Amino acid sequence: ETGVTQTPRHLVMGMTNKKSLKCEQHLGHNAMYWYKQSAKKPLELMFVYNFKEQTENNSVPSRFSPECPNSSHLFLHLHTLQPEDSALYLCASSQGYSSGNTIYFGEGSWLTVV
Amino acid sequence: KNEVEQSPQNLTAQEGEFITINCSYSVGISALHWLQQHPGGGIVSLFMLSSGKKKHGRLIATINIQEKHSSLHITASHPRDSAVYICALTIQGAQKLVFGQGTRLTINP
Repeated sequence: ETGVTQTPRHLVMGMTNKKSLKCEQHLGHNAMYWYKQSAKKPLELMFVYNFKEQTENNSVPSRFSPECPNSSHLFLHLHTLQPEDSALYLCASSQGYSSGNTIYFGEGSWLTVV
Repeated sequence: KNEVEQSPQNLTAQEGEFITINCSYSVGISALHWLQQHPGGGIVSLFMLSSGKKKHGRLIATINIQEKHSSLHITASHPRDSAVYICALTIQGAQKLVFGQGTRLTINP
């Protein structure tokens, strides 16, 4: 248990569906992240939120839409995805967006787009 | 060339063996992280290093800043150590992590 909880753990969706991934952290952290891990590829940063403000968008397609209503919750809204978007999506948090802080990951959400 | 390279990519060993996983990088860093990813997908941060050596239980991490190299050692390995071990860098002047490809470790009983 890392203090970062992701739901759902597994999601199968069609290309025309709209779904959301949810992340909640109980660590009092101010920075939250979405990462994508495709098969046999390193983790890729998607978005960073620091104090609820988006500070990083790593050229992510608009079919992925993040939302951070408060410092404890982070969502990734998904619509009209493609099969190549199938991957493990990991949420993480840290105490501030700084190189000196340990980052805590959730268990991940396995997404399959059919 | 990737900024961070891990070796080996895959490692299989018998229970009890001493394990070494290597990470080399080509950029200036402010910190290096070792992460453990279990088959279910979750990632746990093992170490964050900027110099020297750290030890936690059977795990030891070392870093040589001049040689741009870090190693993760596991003593008295156990099947529950089977996981993917990922080296990640915080690059100087940047605030995001750059991840290695990972080393898949399998410890057989």
